[in-house]
Amino acid sequence: EVQLVESGGGLVQPGGSLRLSCAASGFTFSSYEMNWVRQAPGKGLEWVSYISSSGSTIYYADSVKGRFTISRDNAKNSLYLQMNSLRAEDTAVYYCARETATRIYYYYMDVWGKGTTVTVSS
Amino acid sequence: DIQMTQSPSSLSASVGDRVTITCRASQSISSYLNWYQQKPGKAPKLLIYAASSLQSGVPSRFSGSGSGTDFTLTISSLQPEDFATYYCQQSYSTLRAFGGGTKVEIK
Repeated sequence: EVQLVESGGGLVQPGGSLRLSCAASGFTFSSYEMNWVRQAPGKGLEWVSYISSSGSTIYYADSVKGRFTISRDNAKNSLYLQMNSLRAEDTAVYYCARETATRIYYYYMDVWGKGTTVTVSS
Repeated sequence: DIQMTQSPSSLSASVGDRVTITCRASQSISSYLNWYQQKPGKAPKLLIYAASSLQSGVPSRFSGSGSGTDFTLTISSLQPEDFATYYCQQSYSTLRAFGGGTKVEIK
């Protein structure tokens, strides 16, 4: 079964750090691009970061650039999000999502984890 | 950055109704447009990719159309399990972006 399982969420004080993990199974993780997407309480989806299959290409939303770092370990079938200098507005459910492309390079997120909750509060 | 705007932000409809949701991009994105469904407390689920391609396993009452800047998600006959929030998302730009969402509620 194709599956993504996030972990590492929790309660952290403003200015603190947290590292999220996403464990992949049931597919060849090293062949796929990956994303982190978050959803603040009662709000819509917000794309956070993208990493290519090899890890050589990375993009961030402006709201997290300079504070968050995405990475992956293809040998461990795992995706990570290191979050530093956390703010109250980073409070959200964080999802990892697999990105798939058609043969003519239309990209879409076809597999999602159930999410892990990050709460930034004093 | 490309901005995605959905309308309406919410709508009320009855079982059996035809429902149309619109998504507009701030610049042309060709057909790099995806639609997702999200139910409360659940992860998003892919419905439509590349503007009009139906994801495997998704009922045929869902359809997508459009290209350039204007896109539409249509549910031909609303079913009880379709009450949810729907999001569009562009994959034209490396900075992926979602629309604000459209909540479909029971009338």
